[in-house]
Amino acid sequence: EAQVTQNPRYLITVTGKKLTVTCSQNMNHEYMSWYRQDPGLGLRQIYYSMNVEVTDKGDVPEGYKVSRKEKRNFPLILESPSPNQTSLYFCASSPNYQSWGYEQYFGPGTRLTVT
Amino acid sequence: GQSLEQPSEVTAVEGAIVQINCTYQTSGFYGLSWYQQHDGGAPTFLSYNALDGLEETGRFSSFLSRSDSYGYLLLQELQMKDSASYFCAVRGGGFKTIFGAGTRLFVKA
Repeated sequence: EAQVTQNPRYLITVTGKKLTVTCSQNMNHEYMSWYRQDPGLGLRQIYYSMNVEVTDKGDVPEGYKVSRKEKRNFPLILESPSPNQTSLYFCASSPNYQSWGYEQYFGPGTRLTVT
Repeated sequence: GQSLEQPSEVTAVEGAIVQINCTYQTSGFYGLSWYQQHDGGAPTFLSYNALDGLEETGRFSSFLSRSDSYGYLLLQELQMKDSASYFCAVRGGGFKTIFGAGTRLFVKA
């Protein structure tokens, strides 16, 4: 089954404790992206990747890191989480950047709480 | 800056037609997309307009006017299951994706 998976689905952590949220897709997609969703703000893009070893900042990259060492995986790293990073996070993928508009697949989401 | 505006809430009755508008301001434009998200779920793709005009997919249609920086999503024959949030999105400058804040649709019996 074609899908985007994220782990963990739920995470409660404390300020400053490094964490990684994994994202994996099995569709051989080139374009992958991370979003955060907060009430009243819609989805805001954190980072995106055009292909292996090619990443760039979205609108809200501060406090986050990403890497793309393999095509299928695009982990999101919070080196020192803070309470303002409490949010619902979605990973998404698309065959390539040209098809983002009509073929973007989202993972199930990761609800992160930082206390 | 880049932004999209859409109404925060819309209410309609079952069987009716509802239109959700979206105006955008971006440094580059490559098309307008619409997504549906049910409570607790992930966004799912509904439609995409790269060119002016109307695109129809079953009960859902989407319209784009690039000269007006405006688009809308039209939902016909509303069903209770259409109660959800609807987001418009554009590919902005570079390869970023910009989403609107979302429109919450309530369908009443």
